[in-house]
Amino acid sequence: SQQGEEDPQALSIQEGENATMNCSYKTSINNLQWYRQNSGRGLVHLILIRSNEREKHSGRLRVTLDTSKKSSSLLITASRAADTASYFCATVSGAGSYQLTFGKGTKLSVIP
Amino acid sequence: DAGITQSPRHKVTETGTPVTLRCHQTENHRYMYWYRQDPGHGLRLIHYSYGVKDTDKGEVSDGYSVSRSKTEDFLLTLESATSSQTSVYFCAISDSGTSGSGTQYFGPGTRLTVL
Repeated sequence: SQQGEEDPQALSIQEGENATMNCSYKTSINNLQWYRQNSGRGLVHLILIRSNEREKHSGRLRVTLDTSKKSSSLLITASRAADTASYFCATVSGAGSYQLTFGKGTKLSVIP
Repeated sequence: DAGITQSPRHKVTETGTPVTLRCHQTENHRYMYWYRQDPGHGLRLIHYSYGVKDTDKGEVSDGYSVSRSKTEDFLLTLESATSSQTSVYFCAISDSGTSGSGTQYFGPGTRLTVL
C-alpha cells in the first residue's frame, strides 16, 4: 500500500514562480526522500531528510519535515521550464530497512 | 543512470508467454529492486534482492519471480504474461553504506505490453 501521498496531483506554474508540493505518510519513518522523473525516464534522487531533521536545502530545493503531522513539503524556488517533471516522495521505515515506499507523485508543469 | 542498464527497453508479447527482463549494474551495490509503474499507482515494489541468491517479495509479487546469481544481474521473470502485467518496469539499486540511507538509483525502464 502507498505510504506517501503527494498533494496536489498536478501543478502548473509560470517560469520564475515557486512550486510547493506536499507529501503525507502514515507510519513512522527513518527518512524521507524526494525523487524527480522526467517523462519517459527513470527516477532521479533529489534530496533526503532524516527523521530528526526539520529542514534541508540543496540548491533551489528546500525540504521540510514535520514528523508530528507525518508530512513533508518540497519547495522549488525560481522554477525553470526544465523543472517540468513528476515528483515523488518516498519513505524509509525501520532501522536497516532499504525499502522505499513511494507516493503517487505530483506532476509539475512549468510554463515558459 | 548510475551504471544501471535494463534490457530490453521495449517489449510486446502475447498473453501466456514467458518474459524475462534483465537489470545489470556496474556499481557493485548490494541491493537491487524491481518496481512497476502504472498510472494512478506510482511505483510499486515487486521483488528485491539483498545479496546474491537472496531475494524477497514486495507489495505486488504475484505472477513474478526473480533470480540473482551474480551481484551485477537481477532478472525478473513473468512465467505466463497477462494483460494486467502491461506496465513500465524499473530496476533500482542501493548500497548499504555507513549512512544506511536507502537512497536508490534507477535504471531507464522497460515498457512491456502484453496483448
